[in-house]
Amino acid sequence: DAKTTQPPSMDCAEGRAANLPCNHSTISGNEYVYWYRQIHSQGPQYIIHGLKNNETNEMASLIITEDRKSSTLILPHATLRDTAVYYCIVRASEKLTFGTGTRLTIIP
Amino acid sequence: EAGVAQSPRYKIIEKRQSVAFWCNPISGHATLYWYQQILGQGPKLLIQFQNNGVVDDSQLPKDRFSAERLKGVDSTLKIQPAKLEDSAVYLCASSPQLAGAWGDTQYFGPGTRLTVL
Repeated sequence: DAKTTQPPSMDCAEGRAANLPCNHSTISGNEYVYWYRQIHSQGPQYIIHGLKNNETNEMASLIITEDRKSSTLILPHATLRDTAVYYCIVRASEKLTFGTGTRLTIIP
Repeated sequence: EAGVAQSPRYKIIEKRQSVAFWCNPISGHATLYWYQQILGQGPKLLIQFQNNGVVDDSQLPKDRFSAERLKGVDSTLKIQPAKLEDSAVYLCASSPQLAGAWGDTQYFGPGTRLTVL
């Protein structure tokens, strides 16, 4: 059973913030929320992960709701190079299980 | 820091032939993973090594797939004999954390695209 639900596709204008939602209503207390992305013809790339606090790094910000049932990945100033499939994954210490993700297209 | 290296990048074979893929993880990374990614799907874990020991191979089709990491560094994944449904991208990843660590991150190579005719 899928642990996360993501929209299959999204568009975002170049230079704007891209906000990618993820629902994980059955998340357990010890499970992290991970985000990876996969640019065409490349392997997946780790972006960020968090447990319950919001997180920010040089690539993105992760906002997790207080009840932890959903989260949003924010790319603050999207560029054409951010066009990729974005995977939201919920896990504790077990293996990464990828769904089909959200295909984000940055529009010039 | 050099990333995960994989070779070859592309391979085309006939069904029932054998094929091998090679992976060199990031230096010092203890844990190594092989994934299979079929077109239109997310990657699926085939096997996980910690150093030179297998941690999880529950999704590896052992009748035709094998993998090894003899010295705890490089790894090879072999398919013998290949079937049409093995056409996919084979991804190698490594992690500096031990297998099963909470909050671990994985670094992926570019993958090998296998086409079985």
